[in-house]
Amino acid sequence: AQTVTQSQPEMSVQEAETVTLSCTYDTSESNYYLFWYKQPPSRQMILVIRQEAYKQQNATENRFSVNFQKAAKSFSLKISDSQLGDTAMYFCAFMKLYGQNFVFGPGTRLSVLP
Amino acid sequence: EAQVTQNPRYLITVTGKKLTVTCSQNMNHEYMSWYRQDPGLGLRQIYYSMNVEVTDKGDVPEGYKVSRKEKRNFPLILESPSPNQTSLYFCASSLSGFGYEQYFGPGTRLTVT
Repeated sequence: AQTVTQSQPEMSVQEAETVTLSCTYDTSESNYYLFWYKQPPSRQMILVIRQEAYKQQNATENRFSVNFQKAAKSFSLKISDSQLGDTAMYFCAFMKLYGQNFVFGPGTRLSVLP
Repeated sequence: EAQVTQNPRYLITVTGKKLTVTCSQNMNHEYMSWYRQDPGLGLRQIYYSMNVEVTDKGDVPEGYKVSRKEKRNFPLILESPSPNQTSLYFCASSLSGFGYEQYFGPGTRLTVT
């Protein structure tokens, strides 16, 4: 079974600074998908970024980028120029290539301070 | 508007009283799934459905049932709720089960006393 670990239960960052959230996972699969989801206080789950494990290039979405280290089974999220609206829970998630089971990590609560 | 809807949003019930949480999507998605969210545990998958013909257990299916009679709906059924099923529940859908983005409903806060 796959597992996803987020070792930082809580983090804080000053507005406009950069922060990195860690995620590691355990799998015997060679092809899979990785995701970061954001959950603001409204509770809505919002996709931040998606990575296909068979692609070497790290995914980026505006201020959000990942550092995907397949051999180390690491998938960290970097948020640049942090904004107050980035305050949320962030969940790392894993999905096998041929679907079905979707596994989330326990989450990291990020606070962006003015 | 493309969306996943859940009802009710909040529910307080008593142990053993059967309940159903509805989930509907209007995006013609094949894949649908239910999760529960508990503090410190993240989201855990209860059941998922690859399409109307295929439904399977996730990581925490005990005490839950689902039904996928039509593509757009995927209700979650608790036939005899217990206090340990007090949680925040999310329904989600995606185009298919092959790595596409999941769209989540707004969540249902369930309390079982």
